Amino acid sequence: QVQLVESGGGVVQPGRSLRLSCAASGFSFSDYAMHWVRQAPGKGLEWVAVTSYDGFKNYYADSVKGRFTISRDNSKITLYLQMNSLRREDTAVYYCARELNILSFNYYGMDVWGQGTTVTVSS
Amino acid sequence: EIVLTQSPGTLSLSPGERVTLSCRATQSISSSYLAWYQQKPGQAPRLLISGTSSRATGIPDRFSGSGSGTDFTLTISRLEPEDFAVYYCQHYGSSRGTFGQGTKLEIK
Repeated sequence: QVQLVESGGGVVQPGRSLRLSCAASGFSFSDYAMHWVRQAPGKGLEWVAVTSYDGFKNYYADSVKGRFTISRDNSKITLYLQMNSLRREDTAVYYCARELNILSFNYYGMDVWGQGTTVTVSS
Repeated sequence: EIVLTQSPGTLSLSPGERVTLSCRATQSISSSYLAWYQQKPGQAPRLLISGTSSRATGIPDRFSGSGSGTDFTLTISRLEPEDFAVYYCQHYGSSRGTFGQGTKLEIK
């Protein structure tokens, strides 16, 4: 069964750090690029970052560039999002999602999603 | 930076009706990189369409996508009760992804 399970969310003070994890199962993790997407309370979806299947090409939304780092450990079948200098506006449900196409550096859509983990930035 | 604008924001319709949702980009985009998602309350999004018109695995054929350049549409030929949800278009290009703001389909 293809599955993604996020963890690591919680309540954190502004300016602090948090690391999210996304454990994959049921597919060849190292063959797929992976994305992070977030959704603020009552708002729409916002793409956050993507890492290529080999982990060597990472891209970010302007809103998180320089503060967030996406990474992956293909030996542990896990995706990460290191979030530093957190702001109140980073409060959201964070989803990890699998890129549709295998072994591609072009990104066409996200066909498998986790259930999300909630990050609340508050003092 | 490409911005995707979806219209309308909310639609009130009845089961059995046909609906067309719009997604407009601020500049021409490749149809290969335009996708549509459905999201129900408390759930993760679900991929419906990729490459403008290719249905994802398991998506009923009442869902169809079309478009090119800056104008793209998602059509549901005959609304089922389970189709009432929020729909997002999404594009990836220039090393970043973008979602439209969403269209909410509600039951009339």
